[in-house]
Amino acid sequence: KQEVTQIPAALSVPEGENLVLNCSFTDSAIYNLQWFRQDPGKGLTSLLLIQSSQREQTSGRLNASLDKSSGRSTLYIAASQPGDSATYLCAVPDGGSQGNLIFGKGTKLSVKP
Amino acid sequence: NAGVTQTPKFRILKIGQSMTLQCTQDMNHNYMYWYRQDPGMGLKLIYYSVGAGITDKGEVPNGYNVSRSTTEDFPLRLELAAPSQTSVYFCASSPYTGGYTFGSGTRLTVV
Repeated sequence: KQEVTQIPAALSVPEGENLVLNCSFTDSAIYNLQWFRQDPGKGLTSLLLIQSSQREQTSGRLNASLDKSSGRSTLYIAASQPGDSATYLCAVPDGGSQGNLIFGKGTKLSVKP
Repeated sequence: NAGVTQTPKFRILKIGQSMTLQCTQDMNHNYMYWYRQDPGMGLKLIYYSVGAGITDKGEVPNGYNVSRSTTEDFPLRLELAAPSQTSVYFCASSPYTGGYTFGSGTRLTVV
């Protein structure tokens, strides 16, 4: 069964730092990987979707990479801001392109002004 | 763009009551899902649907029912509410090519 692990569970950094969030998955036969952001008491906002044929995706200050063979993805956040404070979740479909989306437990990021 | 709309946002139920959580999407996505999120437990799939008239159980379906009569709507029914169903419920949809869009959630408390 697919398992997704995110490290670290929590991270506190001063404003302006570049940072990396890590996600690993046990079954490399994935169709895609998606990164989400969740603010306290809110829903999930999709940040980046990486298809299995891609190695990375970029959106503004965010860059996500995917290495299927090693079962890893990283989310790079450049020049962090207090508004980036949230929980970041990565998720992969469980066996096949659709169906159950398996989530990691998230990395809770706090960016101090 | 509305995306995925869930109602209500908050609800308090008494044990044994029933209710329906509504979910509507306007992106013409074939796939729709219901998840529940409990503190420290992550998101778990309750039910999903690959198209109108087709539904299937997820990881934690007990105590819930769903229907999918149209592409747009995927309501979740709770019968005989129990305290264990206190949670935050998220509806999501995706196209065949992947990439999920989530609603803003329904916070349900059963007392």
